[in-house]
Amino acid sequence: EAGVVQSPRYKIIEKKQPVAFWCNPISGHNTLYWYLQNLGQGPELLIRYENEEAVDDSQLPKDRFSAERLKGVDSTLKIQPAELGDSAVYLCASSLGTGEAQYFGPGTRLLVL
Amino acid sequence: RKEVEQDPGPFNVPEGATVAFNCTYSNSASQSFFWYRQDCRKEPKLLMSVYSSGNEDGRFTAQLNRASQYISLLIRDSKLSDSATYLCVVNSGYALNFGKGTSLLVTP
Repeated sequence: EAGVVQSPRYKIIEKKQPVAFWCNPISGHNTLYWYLQNLGQGPELLIRYENEEAVDDSQLPKDRFSAERLKGVDSTLKIQPAELGDSAVYLCASSLGTGEAQYFGPGTRLLVL
Repeated sequence: RKEVEQDPGPFNVPEGATVAFNCTYSNSASQSFFWYRQDCRKEPKLLMSVYSSGNEDGRFTAQLNRASQYISLLIRDSKLSDSATYLCVVNSGYALNFGKGTSLLVTP
C-alpha cells in the first residue's frame, strides 16, 4: 500500500516569494494533517481536515498561510509571502479518523533566503 | 505548561541495555496515545499505540498511567539501530500534541 506522498521534497526560495506544497494521503484516510517541524522540536499542527472540511486551523497563520483539500483527498498548503522564519520541514500526515494513528509523508524541507 | 513533556535526553546506553522513557501530559481528558520514532532528517514513524492495559511489541513495552497522566516506553536489549528520537503523542480529542522527543543513542 502506498504511503503518504508529498512534493516537492526540497524547496529553496527567496523571502517574499510564494511557495506551495502538495500532499496525497493514504487511500481511504479521511483525516489529513499539515504540521510544521523545526529542528529539535516535535511537529506542530497547522491544520487538520476531516474530508474536505478544515476542522482545526487555529494554529495556521492565516495572514500568509492557506490550505485547501477541495475533493477531500489531495491537499495543498501555500505560503504567500514567505518569510525567513518559515524555513522548516512541512509534514503531511493522514489517518483513518481523528484519534487514530497517523502516518507521515517524507516532508518538504523549505529554506527561505 | 506544555501539553506534552518529555526529557530531551540524550540517553546514551550500551548495546543490550534496557532503557525507559517517560512522557507526561496535562489534559486529563486525553483519549489516545502513541509513541513515534524519528530518525535524523526523516519523518516520524509510528512505533506503537499505547493502550490502557499496557502493550508489548517485541522488545518494546508501552504503559499508560491515567491517574498520574504519564505514558512510558521501555526498550529491552537495545540495538544500535534503536538510535533515534522517540516522540510521545497525545490526542486530547480536540488537539493532537507531540512532545519534543527524547534522543536515544545506543553505543557498541
